[in-house]
Amino acid sequence: GENVEQHPSTLSVQEGDSAVIKCTYSDSASNYFPWYKQELGKGPQLIIDIRSNVGEKKDQRIAVTLNKTAKHFSLHITETQPEDSAVYFCAANTGGFKTIFGAGTRLFVKA
Amino acid sequence: SAVISQKPSRDICQRGTSLTIQCQVDSQVTMMFWYRQQPGQSLTLIATANQGSEATYESGFVIDKFPISRPNLTFSTLTVSNMSPEDSSIYLCSVDYESPDTQYFGPGTRLTVL
Repeated sequence: GENVEQHPSTLSVQEGDSAVIKCTYSDSASNYFPWYKQELGKGPQLIIDIRSNVGEKKDQRIAVTLNKTAKHFSLHITETQPEDSAVYFCAANTGGFKTIFGAGTRLFVKA
Repeated sequence: SAVISQKPSRDICQRGTSLTIQCQVDSQVTMMFWYRQQPGQSLTLIATANQGSEATYESGFVIDKFPISRPNLTFSTLTVSNMSPEDSSIYLCSVDYESPDTQYFGPGTRLTVL
């Protein structure tokens, strides 16, 4: 079955710097890759997603890139702000109802 | 996106008792999902609930321990039965919305078992 690995587990950046979180997946049939942000005491919130027919997608300060050949995808946050501090989860889906999540990255943005 | 609510938001329970968690969504959805998130961990799928049929459970989860109801297209319940301290977790409901592979999550139910 699908396996998603996520790195790093913890990331600390200075406010205004960029943050990059990387994930790899094992199932070449995976074609949908969402990213979730989970703030303390809340449920995961879908922040951006990308499908396998696209190499990059951007939404304001966040962007996601996908390399299907290498089976890895990344989340990029530019101009980080303290409110970006949260746990971020990558995930992969083969087009059905089952989504496999990475282990999560705890991002700290220091003011 | 769909608006999803869960009740209760948190509870503290005694071992051996059961708790039923409710999930309500403001739109009709095909599938509803129940996840468990242990402290500091990722999300683990418990089961998938389709309206009008029995829930489909993932490996390691059984219906006797986690019975699920899905009476209509906007509501589902998850019961955690005969609880032990190991059941202390956040339980999350999610729904597919817009497309089968896109999931939106509720706020979660934080369960502590003493």
